[in-house]
Amino acid sequence: DTAVSQTPKYLVTQMGNDKSIKCEQNLGHDTMYWYKQDSKKFLKIMFSYNNKELIINETVPNRFSPKSPDKAHLNLHINSLELGDSAVYFCASSQDGGAVTGELFFGEGSRLTVL
Amino acid sequence: GQNIDQPTEMTATEGAIVQINCTYQTSGFNGLFWYQQHAGEAPTFLSYNVLDGLEEKGRFSSFLSRSKGYSYLLLKELQMKDSASYLCACMDSNYQLIWGAGTKLIIKP
Repeated sequence: DTAVSQTPKYLVTQMGNDKSIKCEQNLGHDTMYWYKQDSKKFLKIMFSYNNKELIINETVPNRFSPKSPDKAHLNLHINSLELGDSAVYFCASSQDGGAVTGELFFGEGSRLTVL
Repeated sequence: GQNIDQPTEMTATEGAIVQINCTYQTSGFNGLFWYQQHAGEAPTFLSYNVLDGLEEKGRFSSFLSRSKGYSYLLLKELQMKDSASYLCACMDSNYQLIWGAGTKLIIKP
């Protein structure tokens, strides 16, 4: 009964590989996000989806592609992984795009290590 | 540019009080948020301020001064479990959250 769940929690892979991280929320929220948290702990928005429409894409390389089959799921696919992609990736969701309270509900994070 | 500044690390004693400051510069303002993040875990929402003044919620309080671009999070009666990073985030005119790097709070017995 986890509100926002993402898998896998840990992912170790070689440079050049393609990988996916899955996210699901059971809160009935209409907006989902992907954040990247690097070693300096900054949370950087990558994408957000509202009702299956991409509404933010913050200068993220096109190797990263979000896929949302429905409003409860937002998966992240990464092609041709690079060393700099190593980070913790957080999925999050909010109601009304966070415009009312700004409260985000985060998943537990997926730690990606590229060797 | 948009910027959120907060101290990198603070240390406090169990049972004491600690204040974590945050200053922000953003294009527009739609609220300031504090999140708590324990090591290896997801951030969790603590507070939201959009008007000037102090919002109290149990042992935690958050203050905002929009004219000064300043906020603080006040933690009272510190417990060991309060050891975590505290993230300040500001919502800009486009309702996008701009995050600080977080303040790592270390609680000593």
